[in-house]
Amino acid sequence: GESVGLHLPTLSVQEGDNSIINCAYSNSASDYFIWYKQESGKGPQFIIDIRSNMDKRQGQRVTVLLNKTVKHLSLQIAATQPGDSAVYFCAENIIGYSSASKIIFGSGTRLSIRP
Amino acid sequence: DARVTQTPRHKVTEMGQEVTMRCQPILGHNTVFWYRQTMMQGLELLAYFRNRAPLDDSGMPKDRFSAEMPDATLATLKIQPSEPRDSAVYFCASGLEIQGSYNEQFFGPGTRLTVL
Repeated sequence: GESVGLHLPTLSVQEGDNSIINCAYSNSASDYFIWYKQESGKGPQFIIDIRSNMDKRQGQRVTVLLNKTVKHLSLQIAATQPGDSAVYFCAENIIGYSSASKIIFGSGTRLSIRP
Repeated sequence: DARVTQTPRHKVTEMGQEVTMRCQPILGHNTVFWYRQTMMQGLELLAYFRNRAPLDDSGMPKDRFSAEMPDATLATLKIQPSEPRDSAVYFCASGLEIQGSYNEQFFGPGTRLTVL
């Protein structure tokens, strides 16, 4: 797989602690949001999603919170592990022309785990 | 284990040459996306298809880039002529979109393109 050495904001977290990654989205009409994880040398991988009619959704060790008032999305990772080291992207679903939706990615945050 | 495949994985070429990148979406998926990832721009959507029809290629430089789906098992992204600023990793993704439901995208491993 491939990746690029992105110049990104970095969040450094102690192993075992919880991580919170934040994202601001741009389009108030966006109705669906996704978090992706991109490990070094690989393509982005789906983690969790949430629809705009919800404000919280939980998965295994991950929780996504959505605040539509301020157009803010966050990803919480519980008990962060070394395998969580990656770049995390939030993405929003935007309805484009032809009534077709498309996913637009945010700029990403690099999560670094301290042993 | 179904996955999106991309070829080539690496491509080094000289400015002015034609480059063709190929993608095999997951069997049964009806949407295909092309993204470009660079250090400066992050992940940019270049084009996407539903049922092989192009829906949006507004993110793609029209003068040199073209994207097609000759059949349901193959998507291509072509650059002619290539320029050094095209150097990036190009990702293909596919998904299953059903009216009223949302579209999780599965990404391929990417093609790293270097234009000298």
